[in-house]
Amino acid sequence: EVQLVESGGGLVKRGGSLTLSCAASGFTFSLYSMHWVRQAPGKGLECVSSISSSSNYIYYADSVKGRFTVSRDNARNSLYLQMNSLRTEDTAVYYCARLIQAAGTDDYWGQGTLVTVSS
Amino acid sequence: DIQMTQSPSSLSASVGDRVTITCRASQDISNYLAWFQQKPGKAPKSLIYAASSLQSGVPSEFSGSGSGTDFTLTISSLQPEDFATYYCQQYSSYPFTFGQGTKLEI
Repeated sequence: EVQLVESGGGLVKRGGSLTLSCAASGFTFSLYSMHWVRQAPGKGLECVSSISSSSNYIYYADSVKGRFTVSRDNARNSLYLQMNSLRTEDTAVYYCARLIQAAGTDDYWGQGTLVTVSS
Repeated sequence: DIQMTQSPSSLSASVGDRVTITCRASQDISNYLAWFQQKPGKAPKSLIYAASSLQSGVPSEFSGSGSGTDFTLTISSLQPEDFATYYCQQYSSYPFTFGQGTKLEI
């Protein structure tokens, strides 16, 4: 059974830092691109960062570029999101996701972890 | 980046109604489109992939169609559990992008 389990969310002050982790199991983690998708309260879904299977392609949304760093450890089946210089508008539920890829059929999401940035 | 535009942003309907949600891509994405359903406090759940293929376990009242830039999600007969928010998402090219969502209300 595929599982994605996020951790590391919490309450942080504006300007602070947090690191999110995602532990993957039930599939060959090293073969798949992974994504961090966030959802601010009452808002839609936004893919803030993506990383290819071998880390040779990395994407950041403009809203987080220069502040967030995505990484992965294929030996540990883990995905990370280092978040610095946090802003109140970064308040959201952050999901770790294995989204459908071309020719694929399945997608998987974690349960989400809440990041709250206070002013 | 490919922009995904959904319409309507909200929709009121009744149990038993047939409803259609549309999604337009800013460029040709072939059939690399997925539809998700999300209920409050839950992660999105995949309904459709490759524009028209039903995910395993998804009721047959859901169907998808389209290719290129224009896509639709149809619910043929609304059930009480179908009232939720629906998103389209393209996976033709990075970065993967979502529509803004359609809230389906009673």
